Amino acid sequence: DAKTTQPNSMESNEEEPVHLPCNHSTISGTDYIHWYRQLPSQGPEYVIHGLTSNVNNRMASLAIAEDRKSSTLILHRATLRDAAVYYCILTGPSSSNTGKLIFGQGTTLQVKP
Amino acid sequence: KAGVTQTPRYLIKTRGQQVTLSCSPISGHRSVSWYQQTPGQGLQFLFEYFSETQRNKGNFPGRFSGRQFSNSRSEMNVSTLELGDSALYLCASSLVGGAVSYEQYFGPGTRLTVT
Repeated sequence: DAKTTQPNSMESNEEEPVHLPCNHSTISGTDYIHWYRQLPSQGPEYVIHGLTSNVNNRMASLAIAEDRKSSTLILHRATLRDAAVYYCILTGPSSSNTGKLIFGQGTTLQVKP
Repeated sequence: KAGVTQTPRYLIKTRGQQVTLSCSPISGHRSVSWYQQTPGQGLQFLFEYFSETQRNKGNFPGRFSGRQFSNSRSEMNVSTLELGDSALYLCASSLVGGAVSYEQYFGPGTRLTVT
């Protein structure tokens, strides 16, 4: 399974943009890039996913490098509710990845008021 | 639409006992995956069921088993509990199964404590 590398922790100020990086240098051409986050005392929550093009939804934006070896999750205006552990996960079409998310250690985001 | 529900939310068991945890997926979702979360190992995949069939299994001993019913509800069972089985057990559902390009929706988890 392709691996991802994320910083252990990041800090941000409230109402400022946050850029959370993820390196995935061994990504294959058919791997999707998913982001989940886990707020304290809750189950993980889907944030966004993409394959090649940048993606936007109501929660965040996903910027994917042209060579696909890295991606960045962008929270446009961080709020205190965005303090969570953010996971960058690769999923591929092989049967070994069916229904399976492989979570790394993720990035713990602190948001300061 | 109601989210993923898990019962019970908290459970205390004694070493050697067995336990059954239940998960009700979002209506219409046919895939259910189970994960174990511990402070030391993080989130680890246990298994995934789709249309009552186990399609994928993580690296856990045979004491961990599961099943899925025709209404997509799922149960997982842990027999002969060990202290190391103390964890948060999370269930996730998705629409058609497979984590390739479909998001998974997680429940709040069942906190199991083994004494």
